[in-house]
Amino acid sequence: EIVLTQSPGTLSLSPGERATLSCRASQSVGTSYLGWYQQKPGQAPRLLMSGASSRATGIPDRFSGSGSGTDFTLTISRLEPEDFAVYYCQQYGSSPQTFGQGTKVEMK
Amino acid sequence: EAQLLESGGGLVQPGGSLRLSCAASGFTFDDYAMSWVRQVPGKGLEWVSGISASGSSTYYADSVKGRFTISRDNSKNTLSLQMNSLRAEDTAVYYCAKDLRRTGTTNFDYWGQGTLVTVSS
Repeated sequence: EIVLTQSPGTLSLSPGERATLSCRASQSVGTSYLGWYQQKPGQAPRLLMSGASSRATGIPDRFSGSGSGTDFTLTISRLEPEDFAVYYCQQYGSSPQTFGQGTKVEMK
Repeated sequence: EAQLLESGGGLVQPGGSLRLSCAASGFTFDDYAMSWVRQVPGKGLEWVSGISASGSSTYYADSVKGRFTISRDNSKNTLSLQMNSLRAEDTAVYYCAKDLRRTGTTNFDYWGQGTLVTVSS
């Protein structure tokens, strides 16, 4: 199965700063079959991105995704207070689909 | 708006069985594939099982294959997960999730609130 490794494990930033989250796959995930999710404590995950770079419905444009093959990035251009959460990448190009271990974006 | 409501979680002994259900509303249930995803409290996400919109195709993680069975009743807008031969490592919050597509397992745009399954003697 494809292993997704997210870095860094924790990102300490202030509101207004730019966040750059990385997701690296152990092998190519095909034609950008990669998604990103946000999860806050006590809540279910929320889909942010599909197809590596397509924002899900209702997701603000400060969130952007990029990458292909084995290296993917989620960027939050200017952090808002509500963006502090854990972020997971997910690949669905190869069965079984798998998730990364998560990156926590915490307030500095 | 789509809503998913899981039920059926609880405490079960190792080797026991449990059946989870997910009631769906707010969307055309039989147009979309569905999945179960689990999460050990404080840990990451693990996809468990998926089913196509028609129910004709099912998919399982190796960790549950042969022990769990996913099914759906499109007449009742309900997704189920029959879990047998439960192990301590199956302890997790189980989420029901709606897929973006009819077949396969891709991205999940709606999730339930989760139901906790605890396997312990």
